[in-house]
Amino acid sequence: SQQGEEDPQALSIQEGENATMNCSYKTSINNLQWYRQNSGRGLVHLILIRSNEREKHSGRLRVTLDTSKKSSSLLITASRAADTASYFCATGSGGSYGKLTFGQGTILTVHP
Amino acid sequence: KAGVTQTPRYLIKTRGQQVTLSCSPISGHRSVSWYQQTPGQGLQFLFEYFSETQRNKGNFPGRFSGRQFSNSRSEMNVSTLELGDSALYLCASSWDPGGTEAFFGQGTRLTVV
Repeated sequence: SQQGEEDPQALSIQEGENATMNCSYKTSINNLQWYRQNSGRGLVHLILIRSNEREKHSGRLRVTLDTSKKSSSLLITASRAADTASYFCATGSGGSYGKLTFGQGTILTVHP
Repeated sequence: KAGVTQTPRYLIKTRGQQVTLSCSPISGHRSVSWYQQTPGQGLQFLFEYFSETQRNKGNFPGRFSGRQFSNSRSEMNVSTLELGDSALYLCASSWDPGGTEAFFGQGTRLTVV
């Protein structure tokens, strides 16, 4: 079963615009990770945020985590055509021994 | 540092056959997890191994099995293949599965005909 729900399911923007994707989850977590996937290939790790953190930055990526609302958001600033991909959030919980629970993903299309 | 390596990248099998997929984790990582990705069900957890022990298993039938070797390399096996087993199988490795990043391989695309 999927723990996370991602919103929107699809997002289409122009190069240079910002893209925001949201993820909600149901149970308490230890951490939340965001991944990118291009055309059915492997998952590329973007960023991990721990349950005691509220915000993290990595390059053009900004991730926030609100444990009271059980939600996270991924912001990609100044999007490029190369950012076109599917984006997934994945949660890890205490005692889950490496099990990540994924959302259904957001398909991002960045038009040149 | 080399990433997670999965072999083979593509595989075509016939219903009823069995298949073995391989995963070599990042050097130093002792945790290996396996996931199945399909258009209908998304990414689903199969199992996780740490120091040659299976510590967690997802809701898959017993036809799906795995193991981990002393060098942390892992294999998963699917017996009596069904058409519905067609999927992208992804392997992830982690140093500390409770708190650090999980890195994925490129996956094995299995097609059952």
